[in-house]
Amino acid sequence: DTGVSQDPRHKITKRGQNVTFRCDPISEHNRLYWYRQTLGQGPEFLTYFQNEAQLEKSRLLSDRFSAERPKGSFSTLEIQRTEQGDSAMYLCASSGWYNEQFFGPGTRLTVL
Amino acid sequence: AQTVTQSQPEMSVQEAETVTLSCTYDTSESDYYLFWYKQPPSRQMILVIRQEAYKQQNATENRFSVNFQKAAKSFSLKISDSQLGDAAMYFCAWEGAQKLVFGQGTRLTINP
Repeated sequence: DTGVSQDPRHKITKRGQNVTFRCDPISEHNRLYWYRQTLGQGPEFLTYFQNEAQLEKSRLLSDRFSAERPKGSFSTLEIQRTEQGDSAMYLCASSGWYNEQFFGPGTRLTVL
Repeated sequence: AQTVTQSQPEMSVQEAETVTLSCTYDTSESDYYLFWYKQPPSRQMILVIRQEAYKQQNATENRFSVNFQKAAKSFSLKISDSQLGDAAMYFCAWEGAQKLVFGQGTRLTINP
C-alpha cells in the first residue's frame, strides 16, 4: 500500500494557460475525490468518482474544470484558461468500502 | 446544506497537558460520520479519529478522544498528554452522501 499519490506537487502557470493534475489512488479503492484548499481554509469538495463514473460535481467546479477517471484507476483534473483565483492546493483522496478517505499530498497551483 | 464550524482559529497547550478543540455542525441527516483530520505544516492530511452518528459511545484512539453530543450537534476533540508532534492544523469534518464538509480549522501549537 503506497498511499495516494499526486503529480505534480507544485505547478506555476501564467493566467490563461491550461493545467492538468494527476491522482493515483490506493489500488483497491473504488472511490476517488477531488478537493480544493485555499490558504487558511478547510478543503472544499469539488467532485467524486465511483469507479469510472463521476457521480457528483460541486457548483465550485465551473465549466473550465473537468475531471476524468478512465478505467476507474487514476484520475486527472484539468483547468482550462486558468485565472488567479484558481491558485490553491488541489487535494485528491480515495476510499474503499469504509467511509474513510485517505488523502494525497496535494498539488499546489500558483497562477501568475 | 451542511455546515461545520470550528470557533477556535488557534489554540496552544503546554507539552504533556490536555487540550480540547471544539466543533459544531448543522445537518438534517440522521445517518452520517464525523471525523477529525490533522494537517501538519506542508504535509498531507491524516485521519485522527472517526465517529459514526448512530453510535452513542465516544470514539477513542490512544491519546485522542471525542465528546460527541448528537442532539447538540457538537463534536469536540480531546488530546491528552500533548506531544510536540501534535502541532498541526486540525480540521473537523462531516460526511454524508460520500463527500466531506470541513470546518475552517484550528491551528494547534504545543509549547515545550
